[in-house]
Amino acid sequence: DQQVKQNSPSLSVQEGRISILNCDYTNSMFDYFLWYKKYPAEGPTFLISISSIKDKNEDGRFTVFLNKSAKHLSLHIVPSQPGDSAVYFCAAGGTSYGKLTFGQGTILTVHP
Amino acid sequence: ETGVTQTPRHLVMGMTNKKSLKCEQHLGHNAMYWYKQSAKKPLELMFVYSLEERVENNSVPSRFSPECPNSSHLFLHLHTLQPEDSALYLCASSQDVRGGGTEAFFGQGTRLTVV
Repeated sequence: DQQVKQNSPSLSVQEGRISILNCDYTNSMFDYFLWYKKYPAEGPTFLISISSIKDKNEDGRFTVFLNKSAKHLSLHIVPSQPGDSAVYFCAAGGTSYGKLTFGQGTILTVHP
Repeated sequence: ETGVTQTPRHLVMGMTNKKSLKCEQHLGHNAMYWYKQSAKKPLELMFVYSLEERVENNSVPSRFSPECPNSSHLFLHLHTLQPEDSALYLCASSQDVRGGGTEAFFGQGTRLTVV
């Protein structure tokens, strides 16, 4: 049973436009959510996070939105740049344990 | 320099071989993890160590044997693997296991191929 799902395996966006990556979770014990970015032949790198007490967190071009009632979060990248092309993983964790549960990842391609 | 270093980067081994993956973190973290990433599957947590003590083992077959001699080093000993064990094995560390909001820092992974 997959507790964290990224239903879109891939997303293609034009440079300068907005990229929206989505993630759904089922475990209501999750109270901390993160996005990781992964380039080929590298490990995932932390991008941005949000705690369940917030519904939005912004860091430069990256904004994460959390809808707790829908158990849904999204990552917005605006404006998108070709260097943003990578695999994006959504991850969720709980206050009582630090382990993270990851989604399958979404391949983002930003075209010049 | 990511702070988490994994060796080797690539490994090809036969099903009867014994090999070890090594992970080292230079971040002063107390928790270390092994993850497995297979094609088209989510990252799977395999083992969690906190202060050199294994705190979680996610139903991983015994042909994978972790070792954490100190808080900076983590090994994954491999023996009699199967071809379906071919995957990217990622090591990660975080400040603590407990407490929400602790980001994990990942190594670059070891690409393992079992032939």
